[in-house]
Order: sequence, then structure tokens, then C-alpha cells
Amino acid sequence: AAGVIQSPRHLIKEKRETATLKCYPIPRHDTVYWYQQGPGQDPQFLISFYEKMQSDKGSIPDRFSAQQFSDYHSELNMSSLELGDSALYFCASSLGLRETQYFGPGTRLLVL
Amino acid sequence: AQTVTQSQPEMSVQEAETVTLSCTYDTSESNYYLFWYKQPPSRQMILVIRQEAYKQQNATENRFSVNFQKAAKSFSLKISDSQLGDTAMYFCAFMNSGGSNYKLTFGKGTLLTVNP
Repeated sequence: AAGVIQSPRHLIKEKRETATLKCYPIPRHDTVYWYQQGPGQDPQFLISFYEKMQSDKGSIPDRFSAQQFSDYHSELNMSSLELGDSALYFCASSLGLRETQYFGPGTRLLVL
Repeated sequence: AQTVTQSQPEMSVQEAETVTLSCTYDTSESNYYLFWYKQPPSRQMILVIRQEAYKQQNATENRFSVNFQKAAKSFSLKISDSQLGDTAMYFCAFMNSGGSNYKLTFGKGTLLTVNP
């Protein structure tokens, strides 16, 4: 079965640079969630989209923005990167709200 | 706000034995879902099992089963016939099913090691 696709899988950036993470949900899934998992931490919710509209917002820094496109893929844009942004970023998708979320493999971001 | 507590940071079990991971949660909501996710060394987050709060019957998926005690706000995971591939971090997670907030709230995780 098709799974959630995230790209790139690994990303190395310098401080103050910009990064764009992409997420392609499972086919027919219309809801996307973004989570950040720091080293040794549990995943923390950043933001979610349902039918291309933002549905909920968590502890996402103002330096970050995201959107969901007409084909339901989503992008997380991160600007003015800081060392503390180094983490594993997960995208998860579901078929509608209140449904089970299936996670992608994650993007490992390292900020030097 | 919901909180999820996993009181066992680490556990170990011998291959083929049974182990139970504990999880408690706090919420004022009456409708919600509970999940166990597994994160092996590859760091992929894999769904293990899901429980709807309105269902009294405990969910089961092959060797994995839960003991859901709604009044006690407890949601433990039992792994039977443990296998080496079960070695992973296990996260308990809560999701509200009412209102407009459907994010997952995770516990801090339990690192399970299955020994040969």
C-alpha cells in the first residue's frame, strides 16, 4: 500500500538559511499534519490542514509557514533557521479529520 | 489540555515472553481516541493499535492488545510472544474526537528492548 512520502529525507543547512520540506499524503487522504521531534523527545504538533485549509495550529514558530496545495501535498517553509530547529520533522496524513494518522518516514534537518 | 504519561522510560523482555507497557492520560473530554505508535531505530512512526473511547471492547491486533480502563484513564499495551523486531520506542498518544482539535498528544515514550 502507498505510504506518506516526505522529501528530502535529510537536509543540512546553515544558521539563518531557509528550508522547505515537502509531504505527499497517502492517495485520497485530504488531511495533513506536521510534527517536530527533537532528539530524545516525543513528537510535537506544529500545524495541520484539511481540504487545503489550515485546521489547527500548535507550537509553530512565526519563522515557519506551511500550506496545502490543490493536489493535497503540503510544504513546510522554515526561514532564519536556528540551531534549535535541528530535529526530525514528520508529516502524517489521514482520510478526514478525527481519523487515524499515518506517518511518513520523516525529514532529518540539521542546522549548523 | 490533555496530558499523556508513560511512567516506564525503559523496559526489557526476553524473546517469546509477554510484556505490558503502561500509559495514563488526563482529559475532560468524553469522546476521544487512543493510540500506540512504535518507533524502531529507523525512527519511522508506525501505528500499532487504536482504541475508540466509546468502545468497551479492548482492541487487538495480532500479538498486540490493549487494556483500556476509561474510568481510571488507563491504556496499557500488552505484547505477547515478543520478537526481536519489537525492539523500539513505544509512544502512547491521545486524540480528541470532538471539537476542532485533532492533533496527537504523545507521552514521553517507553524504550522496549527484546533480548534473545
